[in-house]
Amino acid sequence: DAKTTQPPSMDCAEGRAANLPCNHSTISGNEYVYWYRQIHSQGPQYIIHGLKNNETNEMASLIITEDRKSSTLILPHATLRDTAVYYCIVASNDYKLSFGAGTTVTVRA
Amino acid sequence: GAGVSQTPSNKVTEKGKYVELRCDPISGHTALYWYRQSLGQGPEFLIYFQGTGAADDSGLPNDRFFAVRPEGSVSTLKIQRTERGDSAVYLCASSSQGSETQYFGPGTRLLVL
Repeated sequence: DAKTTQPPSMDCAEGRAANLPCNHSTISGNEYVYWYRQIHSQGPQYIIHGLKNNETNEMASLIITEDRKSSTLILPHATLRDTAVYYCIVASNDYKLSFGAGTTVTVRA
Repeated sequence: GAGVSQTPSNKVTEKGKYVELRCDPISGHTALYWYRQSLGQGPEFLIYFQGTGAADDSGLPNDRFFAVRPEGSVSTLKIQRTERGDSAVYLCASSSQGSETQYFGPGTRLLVL
């Protein structure tokens, strides 16, 4: 599976949109982009996934560039409870997730 | 409904001992996964079950690690002759047939002294 590159950390203000970037320049045609997050001392939580079209659900939006080499996870109105480590994962199947180090997002009041 | 549960939540053992970690998946989920998470790192895949059989055990680090799921529901991860390097959080996840979403439990924190 393709590797991903994420910034190690980022801060955002409560109530503002949080835009989390992810590079996956070696992604292949059958690989999906998944986003999970892990709040301190909890197990990872699924957020969203996509293949090539932009996706939106009740938690977030996923924007994938046309060449699929990068994506952005958007949390539209960040709250303090969104403070977590966010993982961008590229996988060709749905069972072997390679998490990497992720981005530590801190939402500040 | 009930999520994935794992017991015990914490386990302290001595080097060389045997431990068993239990995972109760979400009812009806056919797929079950084990991951290991060391301090400051993301989870690492260990093994994947589809029903009772291990479909992929390529992530198990060595033959001291073994996992079973005899009735296709509860799974047990077994570690023989524990080493200090086995200290980590062991996470279990499950998913339903045809679903891409894995639901994780809270993990078992294993400390080998």
